[in-house]
Amino acid sequence: DSGVTQTPKHLITATGQRVTLRCSPRSGDLSVYWYQQSLDQGLQFLIQYYNGEERAKGNILERFSAQQFPDLHSELNLSSLELGDSALYFCASSGLAGGPGNEQFFGPGTRLTVL
Amino acid sequence: AQTVTQSQPEMSVQEAETVTLSCTYDTSESDYYLFWYKQPPSRQMILVIRQEAYKQQNATENRFSVNFQKAAKSFSLKISDSQLGDAAMYFCAYRRRSNFGNEKLTFGTGTRLTIIP
Repeated sequence: DSGVTQTPKHLITATGQRVTLRCSPRSGDLSVYWYQQSLDQGLQFLIQYYNGEERAKGNILERFSAQQFPDLHSELNLSSLELGDSALYFCASSGLAGGPGNEQFFGPGTRLTVL
Repeated sequence: AQTVTQSQPEMSVQEAETVTLSCTYDTSESDYYLFWYKQPPSRQMILVIRQEAYKQQNATENRFSVNFQKAAKSFSLKISDSQLGDAAMYFCAYRRRSNFGNEKLTFGTGTRLTIIP
């Protein structure tokens, strides 16, 4: 158990809908990252938050948005869903410094299926 | 931009034998970290081993070791005495070193490792 929790585990929805994925980082971790993994592909970085502020952005679609709340949990909002958005969405968290000891710990992921 | 390439989509090895998974990367940075992650059927991402670019010594974690060739930008993973539990997708990943906080991971497309009993 990495200490990072994600809810829900599975989500099935229809095209055009909007969903919210939730992530609670490890206790004390200030950074939260979101990654997308489609069909046995590598993980693609979406966005990073640090202590409530957006810190880095990857190839995140405009239909997607995220935020990190004062209690440090984060939510990823996906709207106007398309079939191609079906994927495994991972959240990861890490501590303050960028040194070797501050690994990113991954949650179990949310499996999104868009029908 | 940094890229990570894994040219072996699938590999198989006999139980108890040794297998090497390949990874190459491209970066203009001189200070960075490289990782191997394991993703079993449960889909959990598990850190296997880490290498710091400024260290010449290759990292080792029990049966897992790396061959880090900085000039060639190559980072291979060797698994010795392969076990059935090693069957998984293996991802190579890169992270830039920063003094301003942790950075994102850039992943390769993965190698699916099958262990033959």
